[in-house]
Amino acid sequence: EVQLVESGGGLVQPGGSLRLSCAASGFTFSSYWMHWVRQAPGKGLVWVSRINSDGSSTSYADSVKGRFTISRDNAKNTLYLQMNSLRAEDTAVYYCARDSPGVPRDWWGQGTLVTVSS
Amino acid sequence: EIVLTQSPGTLSLSPGERATLSCRASQSVSSYLAWYQQKPGQAPRLLIYGASSRATGIPDRFSGSGSGTDFTLTISRLESEDFAVYYCQQYGSSPVTFGGGTKVEIK
Repeated sequence: EVQLVESGGGLVQPGGSLRLSCAASGFTFSSYWMHWVRQAPGKGLVWVSRINSDGSSTSYADSVKGRFTISRDNAKNTLYLQMNSLRAEDTAVYYCARDSPGVPRDWWGQGTLVTVSS
Repeated sequence: EIVLTQSPGTLSLSPGERATLSCRASQSVSSYLAWYQQKPGQAPRLLIYGASSRATGIPDRFSGSGSGTDFTLTISRLESEDFAVYYCQQYGSSPVTFGGGTKVEIK
């Protein structure tokens, strides 16, 4: 069974850093593009970043460009999101999600909460 | 970026009724439109992709239609587990964008 399990969330001060992880199992991780999507408390879904299957191509929302870095370790079946210079508006549940060929975001993790506050 | 506008914001219906949800794009996304369902405290679940293709395991009471800028998600007969928030998403243009959501609540 496909599983995506996020971890690494928590409380961080403004200007701080955090690294999120997403452990994948039940499928050939190295063959799939992956995404991070976030959801502020009580708000809608916002796409954050994506990475292609071998990690050679990445893309970011303007709101996080230059502060966040997406990466992956296909040997460890793990997706990462390094978040630097965090702001209060980055407070959200962060989901990792998988793309299947022709099918966008067909599987999602349960999410990890990031709270940026002093 | 492409803006997706969902309407109505809230739909109050009874079990067994038909639900019709709308998603309008600020410019054409062809058929690169997906629908997701989200229940409180849960991750989104893909329902429809390519505007009208049901994802694996999705019951046939869910159907999608439209192309270009106007799209519709229809739930033919609401069941208790269908009361949730529904989001549309376009993936034809970068960046990927989501609509603001439609809440389907029990009347």
